Amino acid sequence: TQTVSQSDAHVTVFEGDSVELRCNYSYGGSIYLSWYIQHHGRGLQFLLKYYSGNPVVQGVNGFEAEFSKSDSSFHLRKASVHWSDSAVYFCAARNYGGSGNKLIFGTGTLLSVKP
Amino acid sequence: EAAVTQSPRNKVAVTGGKVTLSCNQTNNHNNMYWYRQDTGHGLRLIHYSYGAGSTEKGDIPDGYKASRPSQENFSLILELATPSQTSVYFCASGDLGEQYFGPGTRLTVL
Repeated sequence: TQTVSQSDAHVTVFEGDSVELRCNYSYGGSIYLSWYIQHHGRGLQFLLKYYSGNPVVQGVNGFEAEFSKSDSSFHLRKASVHWSDSAVYFCAARNYGGSGNKLIFGTGTLLSVKP
Repeated sequence: EAAVTQSPRNKVAVTGGKVTLSCNQTNNHNNMYWYRQDTGHGLRLIHYSYGAGSTEKGDIPDGYKASRPSQENFSLILELATPSQTSVYFCASGDLGEQYFGPGTRLTVL
């Protein structure tokens, strides 16, 4: 079974802190990995994705993520968070060439940024 | 910018009634998706489509039908709504590893 796991259900930091949200996957073969953000009462918004090349990918609003094949991870980072970054973050994976063009989502990490 | 819209945004239905949720995308994406989001379950895929005229079952298709009459439109149909289908429903369009989501429809089945 292909899975995406986000081990932290809730992360709390102060404004200006750095943060890392963790994502691990179990997939065979080539894989697309992506992160999404969901503010309260809104739909998910795409942040960034990785397929190949430089393992560190840049997204919007200062977010970046690093792919590690050896750790089966795709952790999301931000150097200095703002209160508006408070949201739920979802990691997702798609097996390249797999059927259905389906994404498998993690259960999400709620990021709370305190002033 | 990618645009996915959903209607209605809120819906209250009675048990046994028929509910149709509509989705429109202006991204010209081939693939469209319907998810439901419930506390404790995250996002779960109900149906998806490769293009006009196609519908495929997702991970939790029971009790739902889907219709893709055109590239732009993808509907989710609950023929006999049940209280267990109370949820927030999201439509998305996209290709490869990137999807664009609508704002969601909050459905309450009484």
